[in-house]
Amino acid sequence: AQKITQTQPGMFVQEKEAVTLDCTYDTSDPSYGLFWYKQPSSGEMIFLIYQGSYDQQNATEGRYSLNFQKARKSANLVISASQLGDSAMYFCAMREETSGSRLTFGEGTQLTVNP
Amino acid sequence: EPEVTQTPSHQVTQMGQEVILRCVPISNHLYFYWYRQILGQKVEFLVSFYNNEISEKSEIFDDQFSVERPDGSNFTLKIRSTKLEDSAMYFCASSAAGWGYTFGSGTRLTVV
Repeated sequence: AQKITQTQPGMFVQEKEAVTLDCTYDTSDPSYGLFWYKQPSSGEMIFLIYQGSYDQQNATEGRYSLNFQKARKSANLVISASQLGDSAMYFCAMREETSGSRLTFGEGTQLTVNP
Repeated sequence: EPEVTQTPSHQVTQMGQEVILRCVPISNHLYFYWYRQILGQKVEFLVSFYNNEISEKSEIFDDQFSVERPDGSNFTLKIRSTKLEDSAMYFCASSAAGWGYTFGSGTRLTVV
């Protein structure tokens, strides 16, 4: 079974609108961490936001927030007030306590922000 | 802001040749990683390195691959005899405590 599932290969959003990128995960570890990375066309991996499995509050970082629903095993990324520079590939990733310190990535979602 | 530096940014090599990809992790980080991303696909874990030894490796990381921290600042990935399917973007990452990761900008390896 896939550890991280991103069901949206591509998403489109109008500039200034909000967009939600979906991520579901599969783990039996009680302790894990969830990460979102942005990969622009230039190729680098840019860390956006982190959510720990024991965190009570949803993580927020500026225009990025993570809608963490533990019972449903989902960790959706919400980008508010989209900008043209948000056009990129977005990856959800997980670190499980029992799998060392490796990150397992999803397939990614290509976000296009339209003017 | 501290960053992970990778060189070269792009390398083209002949099939069967050895390549060494170089990384300078963040200076006070203790955990080092290599990941690869075949074009259009997801990022895959290759290997993690801690306390001067491999702490974990994936099934991709076979005998053709090796890692080294030769001088306390550089962290290298060597591919002994490159194959066409080794063409990918290779990312180095480091972390202070095995949780927060900083990725480098990647080296795009093209095997011809």
